[in-house]
Amino acid sequence: AQSVTQLGSHVSVSEGALVLLRCNYSSSVPPYLFWYVQYPNQGLQLLLKYTSAATLVKGINGFEAEFKKSETSFHLTKPSAHMSDAAEYFCAVNGWEGSQGNLIFGKGTKLSVKP
Amino acid sequence: DARVTQTPRHKVTEMGQEVTMRCQPILGHNTVFWYRQTMMQGLELLAYFRNRAPLDDSGMPKDRFSAEMPDATLATLKIQPSEPRDSAVYFCASAALAGPTGELFFGEGSRLTVL
Repeated sequence: AQSVTQLGSHVSVSEGALVLLRCNYSSSVPPYLFWYVQYPNQGLQLLLKYTSAATLVKGINGFEAEFKKSETSFHLTKPSAHMSDAAEYFCAVNGWEGSQGNLIFGKGTKLSVKP
Repeated sequence: DARVTQTPRHKVTEMGQEVTMRCQPILGHNTVFWYRQTMMQGLELLAYFRNRAPLDDSGMPKDRFSAEMPDATLATLKIQPSEPRDSAVYFCASAALAGPTGELFFGEGSRLTVL
């Protein structure tokens, strides 16, 4: 079965500092990996996705993630945090070999940004 | 501006009552998902449909939950009878999937409180 583990349920950074949110996956087949963001009282929206075309994936709002097969990781980074980045971030893996698209989500990491 | 619409946004009910949540997927999307979000369990997939046919509802308690798609513009999730442990935010998501890498578009959720 496929799964993702997000290390750290809460991360706090200062405005302008590096953002690093960690995600490790488990999959018996080459995975498709996603990062979604959830702002308060809203649904989730896609930040970026890895579909095997390139290991470094760039997404919206200056975020990027690198797929590392040897480390089974897909960490999310942003060079300089902005107050508007405060939200909850979810890593997800495609849930089934040959899947029709259902995603298995991690527990989420809440990002706080201090002025 | 295409989006997934969920109603109601908030629902407070008493234990034992029937609850129906509705979702209008984005026009043209052929796959609809129901997720439940709680603090303890995070995001759990309850059920999903492709072209209105149920593909998987293994995440759903069968004795009290039911999910249907009466037509391509409406998905429903019903709980009867409701229990306090059903209190959660229920998300509907839709996708136009040709494979396992498609983006899921989430609604804003229905927050259910069962007293």
